[in-house]
Amino acid sequence: QVQLQESGPGLVKPSQTLSLTCTVSGGSISSGDYYWSWIRQPPGKGLEWIGYIYYSGSTYYNPSLKSRVTISVDTSKNQFSLKLSSVTAADTAVYYCARDHNGGSTPNYYMDVWGKGTTVTVSS
Amino acid sequence: DIQMTQSPSSLSASVGDRVTITCRASQSISSYLNWYQQKPGKAPKLLIYAASSLQSGVPSRFSGSGSGTDFTLTISSLQPEDFATYYCQQSYSTPGSFGQGTKLEIK
Repeated sequence: QVQLQESGPGLVKPSQTLSLTCTVSGGSISSGDYYWSWIRQPPGKGLEWIGYIYYSGSTYYNPSLKSRVTISVDTSKNQFSLKLSSVTAADTAVYYCARDHNGGSTPNYYMDVWGKGTTVTVSS
Repeated sequence: DIQMTQSPSSLSASVGDRVTITCRASQSISSYLNWYQQKPGKAPKLLIYAASSLQSGVPSRFSGSGSGTDFTLTISSLQPEDFATYYCQQSYSTPGSFGQGTKLEIK
């Protein structure tokens, strides 16, 4: 079955750029049936959807983070990536990647496969 | 953005109890509402999508209902493994906002 695995530095300095990669195994990232999402969860808090990418490269970002977020896809490696610039302590969180079911002509989207998450701490 | 509000924020219950968690949207979202379960230190797990469709492999004691702005997640008979935090999420419009979570604890 499809599995997702996040990877990247666990510690980032303030004002720098957070970079994470999600590797998809057991299935193709080029399937038109899915979008590929990033979600984060600050310590002790709820979930925040960051954005998603389609295999074609089209993206949508949460407006609250849009100015700092870039999500990209590498179909040859079956990976997608997150970059978040100008980080502060408020960006400290567990970052998850997830497979987002494509509702097609309807907004029937749901995240049915998740990575285990990776903790990123922003600190000098 | 659509705001999602869950109630209660926390709930104590016993094994075997019937439990209902409510999620309210700030505007109509038709039936585009998902429910996730999250255990400590783990990723969220999809339980219900499109308000009432049970995700494959999820026990039938979980059910969802509602449309428009008001939705419920019901666990018909609590099992020990059900003690967790539950989140609703709307997919009607991006960004797909989540509720603040409901922590279900053992009484």
